[in-house]
Amino acid sequence: QQQVKQSPQSLIVQKGGISIINCAYENTAFDYFPWYQQFPGKGPALLIAIRPDVSEKKEGRFTISFNKSAKQFSLHIMDSQPGDSATYFCAAVYVSHYKLSFGAGTTVTVRA
Amino acid sequence: EAQVTQNPRYLITVTGKKLTVTCSQNMNHEYMSWYRQDPGLGLRQIYYSMNVEVTDKGDVPEGYKVSRKEKRNFPLILESPSPNQTSLYFCASSPGQGKMNTEAFFGQGTRLTVV
Repeated sequence: QQQVKQSPQSLIVQKGGISIINCAYENTAFDYFPWYQQFPGKGPALLIAIRPDVSEKKEGRFTISFNKSAKQFSLHIMDSQPGDSATYFCAAVYVSHYKLSFGAGTTVTVRA
Repeated sequence: EAQVTQNPRYLITVTGKKLTVTCSQNMNHEYMSWYRQDPGLGLRQIYYSMNVEVTDKGDVPEGYKVSRKEKRNFPLILESPSPNQTSLYFCASSPGQGKMNTEAFFGQGTRLTVV
């Protein structure tokens, strides 16, 4: 059973638009929430991550919003570019056990 | 260059023929793990290792074996592969348990087909 639920499965956005991916978790022991980006033929790579003591983290055009009480977090890609076309995975980590659980992934296609 | 190297990248095999996928990292990381990626299911952890000679089951360990005799290497062994093990496999490494930097570094992947 998937411990992290991710939606949508795929999305298409126009260049310059905003992409939003949502994730939800159940286990309150998770204490680190990374997002990974994967291009075709490559392994996933860390994009941005947040700890549950903050509600938002921004790095360039990528922002994580975190709602601890709702046990939800989301990735916003602002001013989406064709180079952002990739599969994005949210994850939740139980740091002391290094238990890392991934969502099912979202394929983002940015149309020029 | 810091990296995780998997071999082979592509493999087609027949049911029941033992195979090994190798994984090596050059970052002196303590923690290594194996995942399989299937459409609609994301990445699921097969086995992980906290350090040399310490391994444990992940979420989907059935049909797989691992060993960690050296810090840098973490091979994945399929003793008797079956078609339901056809998948994309990733090895990953991280600095270690409890470390502030919990980033996982992934290899390029191994696409395995069992016929």
